[in-house]
Amino acid sequence: AQSVAQPEDQVNVAEGNPLTVKCTYSVSGNPYLFWYVQYPNRGLQFLLKYITGDNLVKGSYGFEAEFNKSQTSFHLKKPSALVSDSALYFCAVRAHSGNTPLVFGKGTRLSVIA
Amino acid sequence: NAGVTQTPKFQVLKTGQSMTLQCAQDMNHNSMYWYRQDPGMGLRLIYYSASEGTTDKGEVPNGYNVSRLNKREFSLRLESAAPSQTSVYFCASNEGWNTEAFFGQGTRLTVV
Repeated sequence: AQSVAQPEDQVNVAEGNPLTVKCTYSVSGNPYLFWYVQYPNRGLQFLLKYITGDNLVKGSYGFEAEFNKSQTSFHLKKPSALVSDSALYFCAVRAHSGNTPLVFGKGTRLSVIA
Repeated sequence: NAGVTQTPKFQVLKTGQSMTLQCAQDMNHNSMYWYRQDPGMGLRLIYYSASEGTTDKGEVPNGYNVSRLNKREFSLRLESAAPSQTSVYFCASNEGWNTEAFFGQGTRLTVV
């Protein structure tokens, strides 16, 4: 069975500092990996995805994520955090093979402090 | 372009009542999903439809039924609502397994 772990419920970072939101996954075979962001009282919005190819993936709003197969991780990063980045972030995974849907982590709340 | 539209946005039910949550997408996507979001639990998949005419159970299907009415519409029915079904429900759709999903704005359901 596939699963996602987001080990931190909450991440606090000062504005202008780099941020990292951690994600590890478990899946049979190769993964499709996704990051989504949720602002208050809104649905989830897609940030970026890893399908294949370069391990460093760039996405919306200056976010990027690095796929590390040996560590089964897909951490979300941004060089300089903004207060407006404060939101709930979800990592999700799906196996390449089989008729399996997307599985989400429990989410990490990011607070960027001015 | 509306994307994924869910109705209603808010609903309060009494225990034992039934209701149907509606979802429609205008992106011609093959796959559609229903998730519930609870504090500390993240998003959990209730049911999904990989293509028109098919539906499959997700992680938490008990107490729910779904209908893929056509390619655009995927409804979620609660036959006899329970307080444990108080949650925020999200519908999503995507084209294929390696493409991003698009989410509706959610339905906040309270069962008293």
